[in-house]
Amino acid sequence: AQSVTQPDIHITVSEGASLELRCNYSYGATPYLFWYVQSPGQGLQLLLKYFSGDTLVQGIKGFEAEFKRSQSSFNLRKPSVHWSDAAEYFCAVGAMEYGNKLVFGAGTILRVKS
Amino acid sequence: EPEVTQTPSHQVTQMGQEVILRCVPISNHLYFYWYRQILGQKVEFLVSFYNNEISEKSEIFDDQFSVERPDGSNFTLKIRSTKLEDSAMYFCASSELDGPYGYTFGSGTRLTVV
Repeated sequence: AQSVTQPDIHITVSEGASLELRCNYSYGATPYLFWYVQSPGQGLQLLLKYFSGDTLVQGIKGFEAEFKRSQSSFNLRKPSVHWSDAAEYFCAVGAMEYGNKLVFGAGTILRVKS
Repeated sequence: EPEVTQTPSHQVTQMGQEVILRCVPISNHLYFYWYRQILGQKVEFLVSFYNNEISEKSEIFDDQFSVERPDGSNFTLKIRSTKLEDSAMYFCASSELDGPYGYTFGSGTRLTVV
């Protein structure tokens, strides 16, 4: 069965510090990988996605993610966090073999301290 | 930037009542989805819809649920007889392409069943 694991429920970082949010997946197919962000009371905004090609992908708001097939991971990074980055971050995975649906991780809540 | 619009943003209903959640997908998108997020839990796939038919549905999407595209612009999710456990945030999404390429999500409808 397809599954997505985000091991960290909460992460707190200082403003200006670097950030890495972890995502591991278990899929019996070539994955399509996504990171979404959800601010309180808001919808899900796509940060970035990976389908193929360069394993380091750039997204909006200064985020990037690296696909590592050998580790089944797609970790999200940002070199310098801003207070406005405080939100919940979801990793999601899809595959052509499983249709159009996405499977989401449980999310990581990011708190930014000043 | 095109948006997926969901109304209402919050709905409170009594147990056993029927509710209809409404969505206006992006106009040139052909594939439509509903996901839900119970408080504190993962975002879960409910159903996908294309060409006026359900293309895929999850185990959650039982006979109490139905979807419809009544007029070529709206996309609705109906819950026939709500239960307490239907309380959740419901997200509508749409996509232009067939495949797990990621979607544009709406901002969600928070349904509270009392």
